[in-house]
This record gives sequence, C-alpha cells and structure tokens, in this order.
Amino acid sequence: GQQLNQSPQSMFIQEGEDVSMNCTSSSIFNTWLWYKQDPGEGPVLLIALYKAGELTSNGRLTAQFGITRKDSFLNISASIPSDVGIYFCAGQDEGTYKYIFGTGTRLKVLA
Amino acid sequence: SAVISQKPSRDICQRGTSLTIQCQVDSQVTMMFWYRQQPGQSLTLIATANQGSEATYESGFVIDKFPISRPNLTFSTLTVSNMSPEDSSIYLCGIRTLMNYGYTFGSGTRLTVV
Repeated sequence: GQQLNQSPQSMFIQEGEDVSMNCTSSSIFNTWLWYKQDPGEGPVLLIALYKAGELTSNGRLTAQFGITRKDSFLNISASIPSDVGIYFCAGQDEGTYKYIFGTGTRLKVLA
Repeated sequence: SAVISQKPSRDICQRGTSLTIQCQVDSQVTMMFWYRQQPGQSLTLIATANQGSEATYESGFVIDKFPISRPNLTFSTLTVSNMSPEDSSIYLCGIRTLMNYGYTFGSGTRLTVV
C-alpha cells in the first residue's frame, strides 16, 4: 500500500542534541500526525497538524505542516534518553480520509 | 481520552492454526481500525470495523484470512486464520479520537508464527 517517505530512517545522537526528521509525499494531505512508538507498545500521538504552514509545539517537540501540504517536519530539542523510539508520521489522504503512515525514523540517544 | 485494551499482548502460534485478537474500548465508538505492523515496518491498515455491518477491507487483505467481528460499539475481534510465518507481525487496533482527529491505538498483539 501507499506509504509516506520518512527520513532519516535511523539516527544516533548525543543526549542534549536537537533532532530533526521529515516526512514527504507525492499526495496532498489535509491533516498530519506525528506518533512515537516505544518497544512493545502501540504508537502514541504526539502532535496533530491541521492546516498548511501550521507550527505546533508539545514540550520539547515542534512540528510543522508544510506549505505545499505534501510534507511535515518534527523537531526534538535537547534530546534525552527517553526520546529513544520509533517516530512515525501519518497523513490523512484528502480523497479517502484514511491515514497513511510513514516508514518511521528510529531514534537512539547516546547518554 | 479513550482507553483501549488489547489481548493477548503476545502469542507464539503453530502454522496452520488461527488466533483471535480482542480489542475493548472503554467508550462507544463508531469505527474501529485494525492495523498490521510487520517487523521493522510501518503500519498498514487491514480493515475498518463498523458496528452492525461487515468490515471494509483494504487492498491485499481478505475476509477469509482476517475475519473481523464487531458485535457492539465497544468491542471488536480480528482473527488471523491459517497462519504462516509471514503473518508474524504486531497487530494493532485503533479508534479515531474526536478531539484531534488522530488515532488512538491499543498496545498491540505481537504474533509469532512458527
């Protein structure tokens, strides 16, 4: 099925560093979601974005809905060890209203 | 926000057998969604379960392989039938969160077929 391209696929960073990841699509979406999945758990919603250009924060996390409506970005500031996990973006297809999930970014934080 | 209980949390099954996964929500919801997450992969929608009607399956998924029940507005089951090792995945149920239009997921069922 259709998937969103997410990059990077994985990253190792030092504790305290900022992290950036993005999600791109060839299709237009009308909602973007960012999730985090810890091992053995289901994905947990971090941030939801509803309109082009929107910038939303949740603590140390900031996400943006791209102007073209075909991409979204997630930034994590001052990373800590518990930020370890897999981050997924999800876009709501404009035509079907179904959510399509990205390929995931696996984040590992080195203390 | 709604709480979703999914069980079993994990199971190891013999090929050729079937496993039924249960999903219980602590509030009434119109639609429940079943996703599959293959090892190291993203989430793929299997089907949407509506109360009182047959589930709607996505391309590549069929009712004979993944029968779904939705007896009421708080409960659904997904059965993985005639399992093979390729069915080894995490299976997740989810609901739409009215507050932000996102999905809330259960903790998943990790299935290993041997």
